Amino acid sequence: NAGVTQTPKFQVLKTGQSMTLQCAQDMNHNSMYWYRQDPGMGLRLIYYSASEGTTDKGEVPNGYNVSRLNKREFSLRLESAAPSQTSVYFCASSVIERSGELFFGEGSRLTVL
Amino acid sequence: AQTVTQSQPEMSVQEAETVTLSCTYDTSESDYYLFWYKQPPSRQMILVIRQEAYKQQNATENRFSVNFQKAAKSFSLKISDSQLGDAAMYFCAYRSYYTGTASKLTFGTGTRLQVTL
Repeated sequence: NAGVTQTPKFQVLKTGQSMTLQCAQDMNHNSMYWYRQDPGMGLRLIYYSASEGTTDKGEVPNGYNVSRLNKREFSLRLESAAPSQTSVYFCASSVIERSGELFFGEGSRLTVL
Repeated sequence: AQTVTQSQPEMSVQEAETVTLSCTYDTSESDYYLFWYKQPPSRQMILVIRQEAYKQQNATENRFSVNFQKAAKSFSLKISDSQLGDAAMYFCAYRSYYTGTASKLTFGTGTRLQVTL
């Protein structure tokens, strides 16, 4: 009953450090997404992967890279973290059928000092 | 690009009462989906209700119902018999029908709902 699992849940970085957020889903979904949530701005799409082997930019991709490792896993990498990347990050997945409801992970709170 | 507007940053309702959260959106498309997600203090995003634009009938899920006005581009959420567990941030979201296999949602800025005794 895991659904979408993100690691780590919390992370503190110094400016310029790099890190990778990991995401895995066990629902056999084709599409996966990374969103960031900031106060007063809702959720904004960073990158998404419509299917295994493809990735595309979302609304706010600058400063991030992604890898769709296989159908289950989709990672988000910050190569050189900046204070503006302090945020809560959500991974999500979806099926193609029906309305394309997103299933979310529990979020990862990242602080860049 | 589509935009979603939630004009009420915060709302308050007494337990057992009814509250309506507002959402408007801007689109030139005729086919799309609309969603309401709930985010309790645990941070987990939970789907509350969905609406297909081609359906005239308003969606309902137990105590939750929507008032979908396609011409006005309005999609409000009504919570009846409010409970303490309804206290959360609520997000309205839009998905185009034409995004292919990816379900790229555009979210509003959210409404924080407080439930009082």
